[in-house]
Amino acid sequence: EAGVTQFPSHSVIEKGQTVTLRCDPISGHDNLYWYRRVMGKEIKFLLHFVKESKQDESGMPNNRFLAERTGGTYSTLKVQPAELEDSGVYFCASSLTAGGYTFGSGTRLTVV
Amino acid sequence: DAKTTQPPSMDCAEGRAANLPCNHSTISGNEYVYWYRQIHSQGPQYIIHGLKNNETNEMASLIITEDRKSSTLILPHATLRDTAVYYCIVRSPGTLGSNYKLTFGKGTLLTVNP
Repeated sequence: EAGVTQFPSHSVIEKGQTVTLRCDPISGHDNLYWYRRVMGKEIKFLLHFVKESKQDESGMPNNRFLAERTGGTYSTLKVQPAELEDSGVYFCASSLTAGGYTFGSGTRLTVV
Repeated sequence: DAKTTQPPSMDCAEGRAANLPCNHSTISGNEYVYWYRQIHSQGPQYIIHGLKNNETNEMASLIITEDRKSSTLILPHATLRDTAVYYCIVRSPGTLGSNYKLTFGKGTLLTVNP
């Protein structure tokens, strides 16, 4: 089966610009998650979708971040406007139930 | 979720067993122990999980002490490709949204040497 796909794999943008990250989960996985690691820090949870509904968005850092999951399939994470501290690696993961997640390879975001 | 404690780093010779310890002394009765690893800059990879019985799969074995306050992940024959950061995570089960999230710590950097 195809894994979790994220793109772009790398993105370099200027401060103040907008960036949209996309995640395609494993087909049939209702649960989709976003995590990120910023420089020198641990991997942190951002939010959790069940199908198209946001189940838990307690990790979203501020209102510059907007996540959507259209029709319960792929998800996007938009950062607008991007700030320097948003630089890091953004991971998406999906799962059927509360068992083991499958993570994507991540999107490395650099804000300059 | 209960907090976990892991050594920051460990070394292992190629071909030998790698035993990675984890303390989770405040674990609750219904919390599971999960292990993930992150190789270089790839996404974290699920390895194994368990509740109280020892578990084994094609990647590793998980040994959980009887009091469940600690566990050990065993890679039976470590290879150079097993060099990675290994994360021990304790998580509640259930269907509540917040119970699904993983709380990553700093993990253990395992270096497998030739």
